[in-house]
Amino acid sequence: QSVLTQPPSASGTPGQRVTISCSGSSSNIGSNIVNWYQQLPGTAPKLLIHSNNHRPSGVPDRFSGSKSGTSASLAISGLQSEDEADYYCAAWDDSLNGPVFGGGTKLTVL
Amino acid sequence: QVQLVQSGAAVKEPGASVKVSCRASGYTFSIYYIHWVRQAPGQGLEWMGVILPGGATTNYAQKFQGRVTMTRDTSTSTAYMEVSSLRSDDTAVYYCAREENYYDTSGRYVRGKIDYWGQGILVTVSS
Repeated sequence: QSVLTQPPSASGTPGQRVTISCSGSSSNIGSNIVNWYQQLPGTAPKLLIHSNNHRPSGVPDRFSGSKSGTSASLAISGLQSEDEADYYCAAWDDSLNGPVFGGGTKLTVL
Repeated sequence: QVQLVQSGAAVKEPGASVKVSCRASGYTFSIYYIHWVRQAPGQGLEWMGVILPGGATTNYAQKFQGRVTMTRDTSTSTAYMEVSSLRSDDTAVYYCAREENYYDTSGRYVRGKIDYWGQGILVTVSS
């Protein structure tokens, strides 16, 4: 069971906007930055959003992140077929003195 | 460019040990934390521990304490993780990943930005 809680699945049609939620606690999301990772099938996770709402170079601005209190969310607008992947949220946990991850959300583009 | 290249796949019998490597390039190896994260088949990401190469400081997830050892060789910019007493449920893809730390605008030291990942290696535990 993961420390951060994400919905196991999400879906949308091309061009739609989808959001993925991530819920934590005061020791992780409530007091530290949230990062989001995209994992395409058979590949390593890739940093998608860091420090709550910053995109690394090369990540399309269709991807955005937000955080409020002990929850965070990832939004994907203008959904494309290549966005079909697993998405993970992560945050440092002060109690564990290490990062914690969500269980992952499998995004399907219908 | 930053790269983390991991050693090849391994098949081990229950009770054996495995040592995986992670060679870093494109940055100053000693000043960035290296984390180890594993992913069992069809499952999510599980943090195992972290090492700061410069001082060899380590911190292991409680679940793995006593069974995992993280080391490094700064002369070759390589991090290692050894897992002992392997069980079938240790079958997983093992990733190394770099953490970038920084100070935010209020001067607070920020932890947790894991920015680059190795390609991962599959360790299969089977008799």
